[in-house]
Amino acid sequence: DIQMTQSPSFLSASVGDRVTINCKASQNINKYLNWYQQKLGEAPKRLIYNTNNLQTGIPSRFSGSGSGTDYTLTISSLQPEDFATYFCLQHNSFYTFGAGTKLELK
Amino acid sequence: QVRLKESGPRLVQPSQTLSVTCTVSGFSVTSYHVSWVRQPPGKGLEWVGAIWKGGSTDYNSALKSRLSISRDTSKNQVFLKMNSLQTDDTGTYYCAKHSEGILLWGQGVMVTVSS
Repeated sequence: DIQMTQSPSFLSASVGDRVTINCKASQNINKYLNWYQQKLGEAPKRLIYNTNNLQTGIPSRFSGSGSGTDYTLTISSLQPEDFATYFCLQHNSFYTFGAGTKLELK
Repeated sequence: QVRLKESGPRLVQPSQTLSVTCTVSGFSVTSYHVSWVRQPPGKGLEWVGAIWKGGSTDYNSALKSRLSISRDTSKNQVFLKMNSLQTDDTGTYYCAKHSEGILLWGQGVMVTVSS
């Protein structure tokens, strides 16, 4: 089974900051990596699919990059509505989620 | 409009069987794969299993012995059954539509395993 290591677990930042969240796979996942945002009490929402494809309706301040085993979600300028928890998901071989990053207001 | 909606018991006794139904609208379960994902309170997400659009299934290896996923194509519903429930099976159970991995989630159903 593929394991996903997501970091950091917690991130404190301010409105306007640029932040990055990382996911590392235990083996090459061939860019089959998605990113999701989850707010308290809500279902996750997909932001990025297949490493760097922005989901329709998602603001362009969200971007993704990576290859092989290492992947990154970048939020270029944090907005108040971006404070939430973020998860990665590999779908190269079945499905494995990262443990999540809780993004909090500093 | 594409929607998924889970329904099922909120409370299940230990050692009993959980049965959850996912009713989808706006797409056919014969055209898209559907997964089940669960989330313990305050914790991360775990893929439970999937029923592929062709009707075959795959399960999380850690849960496989307790799981069954099936569907009723005439009603556009997908079913999850998990037996021998324990307290650490408590959590929100989501069904989700696939397209390039998991695309769209239902609202989830919170299941508590307790006597």
